[in-house]
Amino acid sequence: NAGVTQTPKFRILKIGQSMTLQCTQDMNHNYMYWYRQDPGMGLKLIYYSVGAGITDKGEVPNGYNVSRSTTEDFPLRLELAAPSQTSVYFCASKGLRATEAFFGQGTRLTVV
Amino acid sequence: AQSVTQLGSHVSVSEGALVLLRCNYSSSVPPYLFWYVQYPNQGLQLLLKYTSAATLVKGINGFEAEFKKSETSFHLTKPSAHMSDAAEYFCAVSDNRDDKIIFGKGTRLHILP
Repeated sequence: NAGVTQTPKFRILKIGQSMTLQCTQDMNHNYMYWYRQDPGMGLKLIYYSVGAGITDKGEVPNGYNVSRSTTEDFPLRLELAAPSQTSVYFCASKGLRATEAFFGQGTRLTVV
Repeated sequence: AQSVTQLGSHVSVSEGALVLLRCNYSSSVPPYLFWYVQYPNQGLQLLLKYTSAATLVKGINGFEAEFKKSETSFHLTKPSAHMSDAAEYFCAVSDNRDDKIIFGKGTRLHILP
């Protein structure tokens, strides 16, 4: 059982480039989340989704976009990458409301 | 909106000593509370969760946490620290009003030999 899979694991972008971070889960979870993790700052919620076709902003959505066309996939799009977007990005999913989230292994992104 | 405060970004304890990591939450409705652990260069793994059943929750690796509504706290404890407990620990809150999961800033636990 693969769980939550993120690709790529590492990426270096130049300022102004764009890219999509991929996230897929095979647990038929309705809820999916994108976080960024910066040293000493914990995890900040970027966007989340409660089901296919529904997305909502989290704590730090600026500079990012998401879509949720299927239950399994929740890609995160960076347009016009900036150095401030250098971070480790985690995708997570969960089933029912009171249950825990399952995390992917993360994508380490550097913008230079 | 929910929020989580973790007191102490770094905590050091001797091997065999009590581990206490502090977490206070803010939520206007009954919360769901979680502790996660992160080892270097890995994702987050659930240690334990509180979802309105027993207030004393036991988790993996000998950890437990007690939900105290009057103190809005959910502190994590372990009676005897082991070297393998060295990691970063995150407290998180969600509720049934919206579906966000909000994390604290984390506490890095160091184990001294």
